[in-house]
Amino acid sequence: GEDVEQSLFLSVREGDSSVINCTYTDSSSTYLYWYKQEPGAGLQLLTYIFSNMDMKQDQRLTVLLNKKDKHLSLRIADTQTGDSAIYFCAESIGYNQGGKLIFGQGTELSVKP
Amino acid sequence: GAVVSQHPSWVICKSGTSVKIECRSLDFQATTMFWYRQFPKQSLMLMATSNEGSKATYEQGVEKDKFLINHASLTLSTLTVTSAHPEDSSFYICSASTGLDNSPLHFGNGTRLTVT
Repeated sequence: GEDVEQSLFLSVREGDSSVINCTYTDSSSTYLYWYKQEPGAGLQLLTYIFSNMDMKQDQRLTVLLNKKDKHLSLRIADTQTGDSAIYFCAESIGYNQGGKLIFGQGTELSVKP
Repeated sequence: GAVVSQHPSWVICKSGTSVKIECRSLDFQATTMFWYRQFPKQSLMLMATSNEGSKATYEQGVEKDKFLINHASLTLSTLTVTSAHPEDSSFYICSASTGLDNSPLHFGNGTRLTVT
């Protein structure tokens, strides 16, 4: 079945770059997503990438997709303390973005001043 | 951008009572809404898919008589936890989709349910 894996923790210093990695199993996924969750809150959509793209950049965020290896990464440049949160990658199961999502376990990013 | 509102944001109820959680799409019509459950420090698990005007589709292992879902309009889906037990305590999050190809899912802020 579908499965999404992430490392559980990442600690970086303020100003450094953070790279959060994710692997998925369903090769038919059409969209892959990164969500951010702060304590006690819902999910905030950060960015997403269509499966026929290799890279997408949006301000401080860069998403890299290696479809052959089924590997997705999120790079946050100039990481700030406000970036501390849990980051979930997710793959869509379905023919469009309105399909259901399968989430990874989440990576807790800790940014130290 | 698209906004999904969930209400209440938190609720405490006694064992055996029922609790209703609302999920509204505020500025768009959601043909499909999804209900997720999240245990502390864990990922989100899809419970069910709610389609406007039809019965919800439940994921394997989710009791449909325990978690009643109603999607009576294009802007509102409700999840009712019936005869709640302490093990139902969790964070419940809904998401909504317009069903259009280029429309990503938007999530509500979640409802923290505590059953005493």
